[in-house]
Amino acid sequence: AQKVTQAQTEISVVEKEDVTLDCVYETRDTTYYLFWYKQPPSGELVFLIRRNSFDEQNEISGRYSWNFQKSTSSFNFTITASQVVDSAVYFCALIPPGNQFYFGTGTSLTVIP
Amino acid sequence: DAGVIQSPRHEVTEMGQEVTLRCKPISGHNSLFWYRQTMMRGLELLIYFNNNVPIDDSGMPEDRFSAKMPNASFSTLKIQPSEPRDSAVYFCASSLGLTPGQPYNEQFFGPGTRLTVL
Repeated sequence: AQKVTQAQTEISVVEKEDVTLDCVYETRDTTYYLFWYKQPPSGELVFLIRRNSFDEQNEISGRYSWNFQKSTSSFNFTITASQVVDSAVYFCALIPPGNQFYFGTGTSLTVIP
Repeated sequence: DAGVIQSPRHEVTEMGQEVTLRCKPISGHNSLFWYRQTMMRGLELLIYFNNNVPIDDSGMPEDRFSAKMPNASFSTLKIQPSEPRDSAVYFCASSLGLTPGQPYNEQFFGPGTRLTVL
């Protein structure tokens, strides 16, 4: 079965705190992609990162970093020194062979000034 | 670049009517995706095209939904007849995909069309 679990429904942090959003996935496929998206309160969707299953290197982009661990089937997202503009709903998605997308239910992050 | 353009931004229609949503991808992108977002079902990929050809439409909910991409700069998603449960925000996204089986480079999203079916 293919599944993505974002167990954290809502998170609140104070500005400048670090925060990690969890994403756990289930798949029996050895080849797949993992995505993260951001949806700010304005409603648009923003693509953040794509990772394929053969690339386990962690990635850093400014204050954003991603930790991919196949051993635990996790692809967690960390925001360092959070800012109010980071307030959004964040979605994780799994794309196995066959191209159907499996989205998590999203984590709503609120950064309090 | 103007980004991905979707029209209309809002659509209110009555049950049974035909609805057509439109999308203009970013020039030069060869992959186009249609997504739907509802409170009940969350985010879903409906269909994606690579080089104007539908590659995977397994997410299309039923025969009332159809999507076309007659050329590289235009796509439509049609619902006929529409039903209240089709009410959702529909997003279009485009990307520069590598191959039909590997379209997943960075995706750029349009602002979405909010559809309300009464």
